[in-house]
Amino acid sequence: EAQVTQNPRYLITVTGKKLTVTCSQNMNHEYMSWYRQDPGLGLRQIYYSMNVEVTDKGDVPEGYKVSRKEKRNFPLILESPSPNQTSLYFCASSKDRTYEQYFGPGTRLTVT
Amino acid sequence: QKEVEQNSGPLSVPEGAIASLNCTYSDRVSQSFFWYRQYSGKSPELIMSIYSNGDKEDGRFTAQLNKASQYVSLLIRDSQPSDSATYLCAVGSSNTGKLIFGQGTTLQVKP
Repeated sequence: EAQVTQNPRYLITVTGKKLTVTCSQNMNHEYMSWYRQDPGLGLRQIYYSMNVEVTDKGDVPEGYKVSRKEKRNFPLILESPSPNQTSLYFCASSKDRTYEQYFGPGTRLTVT
Repeated sequence: QKEVEQNSGPLSVPEGAIASLNCTYSDRVSQSFFWYRQYSGKSPELIMSIYSNGDKEDGRFTAQLNKASQYVSLLIRDSQPSDSATYLCAVGSSNTGKLIFGQGTTLQVKP
């Protein structure tokens, strides 16, 4: 089954404790992206990757890091989480940046 | 002006009616257009894609694209309470290399 997976699905953590949210896709897509979604603000892109070892900032990259060492995986790293990073996070993949994107199930992060 | 605009709603329709959702975009060279459905707390799910002017039908859903007027719409026939969700419009442009999402329209289908 073609899918995008994310882990963990729910995470409660404390300010400053480094965390990683994993994302994996099995569709051999070149393009992958991370979004956060907050009430009233819609989907906002954090980082994206056009291919292995090629990443770039989206609209709200501050406080986040990413890496793309393998085509299928695109982890999101929060080195020092803060409460304003409490949000619902989605990973997505696509064959191209302007084609339909397929979303993972989401990770609800709470930073206290 | 936002790149992709949708009325946030809520749009309320009775069960069995036609729901009409609209989206306008600003980039004239946009080439790909998508509708996603998102239930509260869940991930967006692709329901329609359209690339050329005219109508595209899939079951109860019809996407309509008018590039000259820069709008894309989604019609849902025989609306069901299970259609109650937020519908996101997304527009892609090879020129800018972006897929831009609207903020979504909330649809409520009342039994």
